[in-house]
Amino acid sequence: QQQVKQSPQSLIVQKGGISIINCAYENTAFDYFPWYQQFPGKGPALLIAIRPDVSEKKEGRFTISFNKSAKQFSLHIMDSQPGDSATYFCAASEGGTSYGKLTFGQGTILTVHP
Amino acid sequence: GAGVSQTPSNKVTEKGKYVELRCDPISGHTALYWYRQSLGQGPEFLIYFQGTGAADDSGLPNDRFFAVRPEGSVSTLKIQRTERGDSAVYLCASSPSPNYGYTFGSGTRLTVV
Repeated sequence: QQQVKQSPQSLIVQKGGISIINCAYENTAFDYFPWYQQFPGKGPALLIAIRPDVSEKKEGRFTISFNKSAKQFSLHIMDSQPGDSATYFCAASEGGTSYGKLTFGQGTILTVHP
Repeated sequence: GAGVSQTPSNKVTEKGKYVELRCDPISGHTALYWYRQSLGQGPEFLIYFQGTGAADDSGLPNDRFFAVRPEGSVSTLKIQRTERGDSAVYLCASSPSPNYGYTFGSGTRLTVV
């Protein structure tokens, strides 16, 4: 059972544009939502994360928007750069007595053209 | 060390053989996770260690897979009687404590021929 659905599968953006990746989840017990960036041959690297007590979190050019009622969250990359070209994964985990086990989306391959 | 180290980086083995994949977590990190990433997919949870004990091994696909962490630091993922379907990148991650953002290694790419 796929608990985190991610779209689109791939995305092409021009340099300077805005990249938007969306995720939807089913498990209402999820309360930690990170985004990971992965380059070829490397492991995923934590980019930014949010907990459901806020609707938006911004770090530099990266922003997470969170809609608890819709069970959706998204990543916005402002002023996209060719160096942002990578695969992006959303993920979710249950908090409380949980231990950080993550459920990942299928990934979005982002290509930023110069 | 500075990051999570996984060895080997690549492993090619014949169907039916036994393999061991090693993970050196960041020093002092008590939580250690193994994930498996198939081509074009997100990582899938395999097992979680807190210290020396496997707190959750619910993601291990079958009894051919086993992992240990005898001294609470280095962990080894062991796969018996490998099958072609085991081919994937096996990722290890560690964190200072559960529910804290964790750091992944670069993975071991396992190819079963």
